[in-house]
Amino acid sequence: GAGVSQSPSNKVTEKGKDVELRCDPISGHTALYWYRQSLGQGLEFLIYFQGNSAPDKSGLPSDRFSAERTGGSVSTLTIQRTQQEDSAVYLCASSFSRGEAYNEQFFGPGTRLTVL
Amino acid sequence: GDSVTQMEGPVTLSEEAFLTINCTYTATGYPSLFWYVQYPGEGLQLLLKATKADDKGSNKGFEATYRKETTSFHLEKGSVQVSDSAVYFCAPIIGAGKLIFGQGTELSVKP
Repeated sequence: GAGVSQSPSNKVTEKGKDVELRCDPISGHTALYWYRQSLGQGLEFLIYFQGNSAPDKSGLPSDRFSAERTGGSVSTLTIQRTQQEDSAVYLCASSFSRGEAYNEQFFGPGTRLTVL
Repeated sequence: GDSVTQMEGPVTLSEEAFLTINCTYTATGYPSLFWYVQYPGEGLQLLLKATKADDKGSNKGFEATYRKETTSFHLEKGSVQVSDSAVYFCAPIIGAGKLIFGQGTELSVKP
């Protein structure tokens, strides 16, 4: 079956521009997560969504970062006024539910963001 | 706060050698524990997991045992292959689903 998909696979932007990254989770998965993988910080949690509950935004590094999830499915991560330190691979993951902590998270291939 | 410490890489081994990658964590309560693997050019995928103390997770010849008393989850394999070359991440899961990743350990297996 189809896995988690992300688009674009690569994004190059100029400092100060806004970018939108998209994630399509596995059909039927109710939980969706965003992580960031960078050389300096490793793999870090950003935000997660579960159904209609308020998202856990505790990992967002600044107010330039925001995310939404429409209709309980597709999610968009938006970075406003990008900075060079935002350059990283942004990973999306989904899982069946939030209620069971051992549910496997399935990861997408990531979006590589480069801010010039 | 919650954190994970992994053995630093890169680790370079010859084929059929024994592998240990150490992982210790600091977390509230008794989280489920995971090892994820990232093969070259591929996405993160779950390698194995353990959900309670003394559980042993295993997959593809890899094993890790949940040690509550030492808050550790060391990854082992008795005989590595070239195809095991990848980056390995230890990760407890916090609360209702937040993975806290270690810095990753790069493994390179030479024929």
